[in-house]
Amino acid sequence: GENVEQHPSTLSVQEGDSAVIKCTYSDSASNYFPWYKQELGKRPQLIIDIRSNVGEKKDQRIAVTLNKTAKHFSLHITETQPEDSAVYFCAASQTGNQFYFGTGTSLTVIP
Amino acid sequence: DAGVIQSPRHEVTEMGQEVTLRCKPISGHDYLFWYRQTMMRGLELLIYFNNNVPIDDSGMPEDRFSAKMPNASFSTLKIQPSEPRDSAVYFCASMPDRWYLTGELFFGEGSRLTVL
Repeated sequence: GENVEQHPSTLSVQEGDSAVIKCTYSDSASNYFPWYKQELGKRPQLIIDIRSNVGEKKDQRIAVTLNKTAKHFSLHITETQPEDSAVYFCAASQTGNQFYFGTGTSLTVIP
Repeated sequence: DAGVIQSPRHEVTEMGQEVTLRCKPISGHDYLFWYRQTMMRGLELLIYFNNNVPIDDSGMPEDRFSAKMPNASFSTLKIQPSEPRDSAVYFCASMPDRWYLTGELFFGEGSRLTVL
């Protein structure tokens, strides 16, 4: 099956700085890569996703890049704000109904 | 729609007791997933259903765990007998069949289980 690795497990940045979270996957057949944000005590919620026919996707301060050859994808958050503090999960899927999650990155934005 | 509804939100029980977690997916969603979240292992898929049929239960840890989906609006995850290592947050999530349009998983609020 698919194996998704996520780094770093914890990340602290100063408010206004950028944050980057990286994931690798093992199955070259995976073609859908969502990112979820989970605030403390809350449910995970989708913040952005990318499909394998696209190399980059942006939505305001967040962006995701995908390198299919190297089998890795990254989440970029610019101009970080305290409300960005949360746990972020990457995931990979081939069929759209079998999602393999990374182990999560706890992001802390220091005011 | 109220979203995915899970109950109970918190459960504290003693080792050996039976635990039943419940989930009501979003109406019209064809897929239902059960995940377990722990600090050590993150989000682990336990089982998922498509149109009420279990598709993949390879993530179910052992025979103590069972899941059912008797109809499109209800699913249960049962642990019998429960053990302290089962302590975790259990999430239910649902998704429509049109994943190629939107692959978003809609999670419930989770059920936090503590087994003493």
